[in-house]
Amino acid sequence: DTAVSQTPKYLVTQMGNDKSIKCEQNLGHDTMYWYKQDSKKFLKIMFSYNNKELIINETVPNRFSPKSPDKAHLNLHINSLELGDSAVYFCASSQRDRGIEEQYFGPGTRLTVT
Amino acid sequence: RKEVEQDPGPFNVPEGATVAFNCTYSNSASQSFFWYRQDCRKEPKLLMSVYSSGNEDGRFTAQLNRASQYISLLIRDSKLSDSATYLCVVNTGFQKLVFGTGTRLLVSP
Repeated sequence: DTAVSQTPKYLVTQMGNDKSIKCEQNLGHDTMYWYKQDSKKFLKIMFSYNNKELIINETVPNRFSPKSPDKAHLNLHINSLELGDSAVYFCASSQRDRGIEEQYFGPGTRLTVT
Repeated sequence: RKEVEQDPGPFNVPEGATVAFNCTYSNSASQSFFWYRQDCRKEPKLLMSVYSSGNEDGRFTAQLNRASQYISLLIRDSKLSDSATYLCVVNTGFQKLVFGTGTRLLVSP
C-alpha cells in the first residue's frame, strides 16, 4: 500500500493552461506539504497544511493555490502555467507531535510546460 | 548566503571506500538536523537524524558541530547501492525543513 500517493506522475502541458496535482496519504498524519524541486535539484517547500489549515506559504506566486479538503488530502492547482513552473513537485506528510523531520514523500509529479 | 550549503560533488569512490560529506547551515537557531537520501528520479527518504553526540547506524555515522554550524555524514565500506544524492536537512524552527542541494555519490565496482 502506497503511503503517500500523487497523481499524475507526469504532466506535460502548454503555457497558459491550468492544471491540478492531487496528493493523498494513508499514514494518518495531520500535516502535509508541497515541495518544488527544480532542474538544479534544489528542493524547496511551497506550502504546509496542518489539519486542513495553511501554516506555511513560502512566497509562492498566487497562481499556485493549494487546497486541503481533509487532512489526508492536499491538492495543488496551478493557473496560467509558465515555462519556469517546469519541475518535479513532491507532496509529503508528517505527524506534527512526532516532529516534522520524519516527512514521508510521495513519488513526485514531473511537470513539463512547453 | 544559502541557508544550507553542501558540496554538490559528484564524489566518485570505489566499492569498500570510506567517504565523508559535509554541510554548513547559516541559522544558528536551527533546532534539529538530518540526512535524507534521494535516488535518481525518486523521492527523498529520511536516512538518519544528526545529534551533537554523534550517532551511528551501521556503516553510517552522522555528526553535528553546533559551534561551527557544521554537519557531517561518514559512510564506511561503500556499496554500489549507496550511490545516490545525500541531502543535508535543517529544521530552522519555523515549522519547516530546509534542504541543501545535495551531494551526489557514485560508487563504482
